[in-house]
Amino acid sequence: AQSVTQLDSHVSVSEGTPVLLRCNYSSSYSPSLFWYVQHPNKGLQLLLKYTSAATLVKGINGFEAEFKKSETSFHLTKPSAHMSDAAEYFCVVSLNSGTYKYIFGTGTRLKVLA
Amino acid sequence: GAVVSQHPSRVICKSGTSVKIECRSLDFQATTMFWYRQFPKQSLMLMATSNEGSKATYEQGVEKDKFLINHASLTLSTLTVTSAHPEDSSFYICSASGDRGNTEAFFGQGTRLTVV
Repeated sequence: AQSVTQLDSHVSVSEGTPVLLRCNYSSSYSPSLFWYVQHPNKGLQLLLKYTSAATLVKGINGFEAEFKKSETSFHLTKPSAHMSDAAEYFCVVSLNSGTYKYIFGTGTRLKVLA
Repeated sequence: GAVVSQHPSRVICKSGTSVKIECRSLDFQATTMFWYRQFPKQSLMLMATSNEGSKATYEQGVEKDKFLINHASLTLSTLTVTSAHPEDSSFYICSASGDRGNTEAFFGQGTRLTVV
């Protein structure tokens, strides 16, 4: 069975400092993994995706994530946080190979302090 | 990326009435659409999968008579919440996949349903 675990429900960082949002997955096959961001009362925006190509994936707004099979991890990072990064972040794994049926992690709320 | 439009973005309805939410793929043919529900401050939970021209497949615990899903064309799926109650108040969001040859599904903007 496929599952995804976001290790931190809340993360606070100061503006200009690095961001690390942790995600571990469980999958019986080579998974597709995604990070989405949701701003308050808004829909979902895709930050980046891993689909068995390069293990270091670069996304929008300076975010990137590294797929580490040995650690079953797909942590999201950004070198320098901006106030506009404050939002809810979801790590997502596709339920079955080749489908777009997603399992969402429980989410991490990122707070950026001035 | 491809565009998925969801309508309405917000709706308030009275208890006992039905509400229909539309999900449209604007620039591609969506052979499969997914409906998710998000409770306040929680994650998204998959409700059902709909394939064009077929009956929807519901996830365990989702009442199919309560949440009617129709996917009659390659660009439109609808979710009807029947006999709505306050506990149905939630954020509903659809996603679509299809003939774009991409490696992801595309999400609508979501619908905030409030039942009073």
